[in-house]
Amino acid sequence: SQQGEEDPQALSIQEGENATMNCSYKTSINNLQWYRQNSGRGLVHLILIRSNEREKHSGRLRVTLDTSKKSSSLLITASRAADTASYFCATPPQGGSEKLVFGKGTKLTVNP
Amino acid sequence: KAGVTQTPRYLIKTRGQQVTLSCSPISGHRSVSWYQQTPGQGLQFLFEYFSETQRNKGNFPGRFSGRQFSNSRSEMNVSTLELGDSALYLCASSLFSPVKGDEKLFFGSGTQLSVL
Repeated sequence: SQQGEEDPQALSIQEGENATMNCSYKTSINNLQWYRQNSGRGLVHLILIRSNEREKHSGRLRVTLDTSKKSSSLLITASRAADTASYFCATPPQGGSEKLVFGKGTKLTVNP
Repeated sequence: KAGVTQTPRYLIKTRGQQVTLSCSPISGHRSVSWYQQTPGQGLQFLFEYFSETQRNKGNFPGRFSGRQFSNSRSEMNVSTLELGDSALYLCASSLFSPVKGDEKLFFGSGTQLSVL
């Protein structure tokens, strides 16, 4: 049962540029998380934003949450080649039978 | 603190065989979840174990099963393998939170299963 959907599916930028990824979801949530996955590896938790927060920062990451539009965005500033990875948003399950529900991700390529 | 350890890293099996994957969570984490990741379907939740009991289960056939031991280590088993079971199987551990979706998941590097 997919809840979050990232956009765009793929993004290619030059080093130093900013990268913005969006996540839209369908129903009300308590919080939303973002994860990063390097190719063929496990996911790494980046940031959690709660429904009563509009914006949150962590280093070069900035996450916003608009509960009225049911959307979130992840901004990576001054990107580096090492930021090349897939980025996923994750939302709480709607029913009682799942753990976090992940979107299909945005594949970010940062060219040196 | 050691991270989540999954073994083996790679596995090649043939159709009809069975396979067992292992996951050791971060020390102190009692919840272990399993996900299947494929290019077409993305990350799909298999099941979650907490204190040796299955707490949640995704929409997978009975060929997929798991268990958790008293030391929180978990195994998942897939019987009668099909070509479509080829995937990256990810295990994640977490601390318990009473708020659904509030738990941060810590993932292992995964087991890449290829079914020929």
